[in-house]
Amino acid sequence: EAGVVQSPRYKIIEKKQPVAFWCNPISGHNTLYWYLQNLGQGPELLIRYENEEAVDDSQLPKDRFSAERLKGVDSTLKIQPAELGDSAVYLCASSLEVAGRGTGELFFGEGSRLTVL
Amino acid sequence: TQLLEQSPQFLSIQEGENLTVYCNSSSVFSSLQWYRQEPGEGPVLLVTVVTGGEVKKLKRLTFQFGDARKDSSLHITAAQPGDTGLYLCVRTGNQFYFGTGTSLTVIP
Repeated sequence: EAGVVQSPRYKIIEKKQPVAFWCNPISGHNTLYWYLQNLGQGPELLIRYENEEAVDDSQLPKDRFSAERLKGVDSTLKIQPAELGDSAVYLCASSLEVAGRGTGELFFGEGSRLTVL
Repeated sequence: TQLLEQSPQFLSIQEGENLTVYCNSSSVFSSLQWYRQEPGEGPVLLVTVVTGGEVKKLKRLTFQFGDARKDSSLHITAAQPGDTGLYLCVRTGNQFYFGTGTSLTVIP
């Protein structure tokens, strides 16, 4: 079974340009996460989806970041315009969450490394 | 917001040495997970601990959950270069909260 797939793996852009990242979670996983990770640090949650609903986007900088998961399967994270400080790895993860059982296991993609020049 | 403090932040040791990584919080966990992230990859789950005082072993890795469920440790015996990576403790329950991370380098 395929794992979480992310693209592109690497992206280099100039500041003020737009960029988009795509994620396809593990089949059947209802919950999808986008995380930002700086070098050597733990991932920081940007947004969490349960099916197609964004249930936690409190840490998403909404002035420049947007995300969608229209059919409750794959998802896109967009930054427009990008700033120098957005250089980081953007990780997508998915899990199968059952109501009342708490969180299960996170399965991560390989990440998309963004460099803003 | 980082709710979990890990120490040390960086660790560089020789192959064959032992090491311990700590994860601490001021609040009680319902359960805790440890993940390892190799360079260029996403984190992968190593273990889940649920019960205060619980000890789990995974080959040369020993995980302990504190009696009060506010802290956890990961001990690696006879470290190998393949253990190199970023170790992350994660508070679970209703959501996942990641620790600050410990970057381990094992030198051959």
